[in-house]
Amino acid sequence: DAKTTQPTSMDCAEGRAANLPCNHSTISGNEYVYWYRQIHSQGPQYIIHGLKNNETNEMASLIITEDRKSSTLILPHATLRDTAVYYCIVRVASGSARQLTFGSGTQLTVLP
Amino acid sequence: EPEVTQTPSHQVTQMGQEVILRCVPISNHLYFYWYRQILGQKVEFLVSFYNNEISEKSEIFDDQFSVERPDGSNFTLKIRSTKLEDSAMYFCASSDVWQLSSYNEQFFGPGTRLTVL
Repeated sequence: DAKTTQPTSMDCAEGRAANLPCNHSTISGNEYVYWYRQIHSQGPQYIIHGLKNNETNEMASLIITEDRKSSTLILPHATLRDTAVYYCIVRVASGSARQLTFGSGTQLTVLP
Repeated sequence: EPEVTQTPSHQVTQMGQEVILRCVPISNHLYFYWYRQILGQKVEFLVSFYNNEISEKSEIFDDQFSVERPDGSNFTLKIRSTKLEDSAMYFCASSDVWQLSSYNEQFFGPGTRLTVL
C-alpha cells in the first residue's frame, strides 16, 4: 500500500468548509484513496473513497488531482460533531479480507 | 441502521488472566476483523477472518491471541495470558461480500477498553 502524508492538525470554523489534504505521491494505478475518521474513542467510520474521478456523497466530497499524487477531502459545512481524526488510506480494492493500515491522520478541530 | 456491537465496553483484568472480547458483526457480513488502539497511538490491524479461517494477521497477533466464530452471530477475540502491554481499545469490524463494482467498507464497533493491571 502506498504511503500517505497528512498534516498533523487543522482547525476550521463551524459552518465553513473543511479541506483536508493528503499526499500519496507513490500511488499506483490500481490503488484507491479511502477516507475514514475517528471521533474521540469511537471506532473508525468510513467516509468516502475514489480512484481517479472526484466523488461526492452525503458526508463529503473527494477531489483527486489528475496525476493522482494528492487528494483533498472536503466537508462542505463543518459542524462541531465533525471534530475527529481523519485518515487518508491508499490501497487496492480487494476480494479478500484485507486490512486497513491507519496512519496518524489529521486531527480536525471545528471551532464554534 | 445495522451496526457492529461489542461487549463488554470495558474489561479490567489481572496480568496473566485470559480474556474474551465479544463482537456481533452486521448480520449479512462475511468478513470480520479485529484492530486495537493503544492510548494515544495509531489504530493497528490484528487479524481478519473469512469462511471460518484467518485470512491475514499482523505480527501483533501471536500465539497468545485467537479468534473464533462460535455460532452464526458472534465473533470473539481471546487473549490467553494478558500482559500489561495488551491494555488498549479493541475494535471489531465487519464487511460485506466483495463486489467488483463497489467497495465493501469496513464497519467498526464502538470498541472494548481492556485494562490489564
